Amino acid sequence: AQSVTQPDIHITVSEGASLELRCNYSYGATPYLFWYVQSPGQGLQLLLKYFSGDTLVQGIKGFEAEFKRSQSSFNLRKPSVHWSDAAEYFCAVGPPWGYQKVTFGTGTKLQVIP
Amino acid sequence: SQTIHQWPATLVQPVGSPLSLECTVEGTSNPNLYWYRQAAGRGLQLLFYSVGIGQISSEVPQNLSASRPQDRQFILSSKKLLLSDSGFYLCAWRQGSYEQYFGPGTRLTVT
Repeated sequence: AQSVTQPDIHITVSEGASLELRCNYSYGATPYLFWYVQSPGQGLQLLLKYFSGDTLVQGIKGFEAEFKRSQSSFNLRKPSVHWSDAAEYFCAVGPPWGYQKVTFGTGTKLQVIP
Repeated sequence: SQTIHQWPATLVQPVGSPLSLECTVEGTSNPNLYWYRQAAGRGLQLLFYSVGIGQISSEVPQNLSASRPQDRQFILSSKKLLLSDSGFYLCAWRQGSYEQYFGPGTRLTVT
């Protein structure tokens, strides 16, 4: 069965500092991978996705993520965090054959301090 | 462009009362539709998904049910709410590509 682990429940960074949110997945083949962001009381917004090809993917709001097959990881990064980036971030994994089910991690809550 | 609506935005219901949450999608046809529940610290739990009118798959046995009476309408229901049904309910759609797009959510509090 597929699974996603986000080992950091809560992360605090200073505004302007770099950010890396960790995501590890368990899957028998190369999955489809996603990062979503959720502001308090809101739905989830897609930040970026990886299906195949270049292992470094660019997303919206200046985020990027790198797929590392050997480490079963898909970490999210941003070079310089803005106060508006404070939110909860979810990594998700789905099978490559287009089945309906996507598995979400438990989320990492990001706090940005001035 | 596609948009997804959920209502109500918030709901407070007593234990044992019925429930009906509605989700509609605009700007697309024959989408796959999903209901998720989100509890604090537990991520998203897939409750139901639908690939077409009248086609519902249940992921978690519980006192909730779902229906899809129209192509772009997805309804989550319960005959008798439990305290454990409290949470944030999210509807999502997908078509073609593999990412899902989420609605704004409904905050349900069962008292």
